[in-house]
Amino acid sequence: KQEVTQIPAALSVPEGENLVLNCSFTDSAIYNLQWFRQDPGKGLTSLLLIQSSQREQTSGRLNASLDKSSGRSTLYIAASQPGDSATYLCAVREDSSYKLIFGSGTRLLVRP
Amino acid sequence: DAGITQSPRYKITETGRQVTLMCHQTWSHSYMFWYRQDLGHGLRLIYYSAAADITDKGEVPDGYVVSRSKTENFPLTLESATRSQTSVYFCASRGLSSYEQYFGPGTRLTVT
Repeated sequence: KQEVTQIPAALSVPEGENLVLNCSFTDSAIYNLQWFRQDPGKGLTSLLLIQSSQREQTSGRLNASLDKSSGRSTLYIAASQPGDSATYLCAVREDSSYKLIFGSGTRLLVRP
Repeated sequence: DAGITQSPRYKITETGRQVTLMCHQTWSHSYMFWYRQDLGHGLRLIYYSAAADITDKGEVPDGYVVSRSKTENFPLTLESATRSQTSVYFCASRGLSSYEQYFGPGTRLTVT
């Protein structure tokens, strides 16, 4: 059974710092991996999606990488800002399945 | 409004009552999903639907009923609410040829 883990559960950094959020999964037979952002009391906003054949995706200050063989993905946030404060969730879609399996998220606080 | 909406946004109900959570999307997406989000468990899939009149169970379907008579609507019914169903419920949708899931703003349900 696929399990998705995100470490750390919470992270606090000063503004301007570059940071990395980690996501690991137990079964490498994934179709794609998606990173989401969730603000308190709000829904999920899709940030980046990486297909299983891709190694990374970039959007602005965000860069997500995927290493299927080792079961890992990282979300790199450059020059963090207080507005980046949110919970970041990763989710994997398994082969031949519509379902997303989520990690528990990393709660990020960027201090001014 | 375009996108995916959920109603109500907040609901308090008593144990044993029936309650229906509504989800509506304007993209004519084929796939729709219901998740619940709980501390310590992350997001878990309750039910999903690949098209009108086609539904299937997810990870935690017990105590829930869904229907999909129209492509744009996917209501979730708790037939006899229990305290363990206190949670935040998210609806999501995905196009037939799209890779990303898009989430609604959520419904916070409290069962007393």
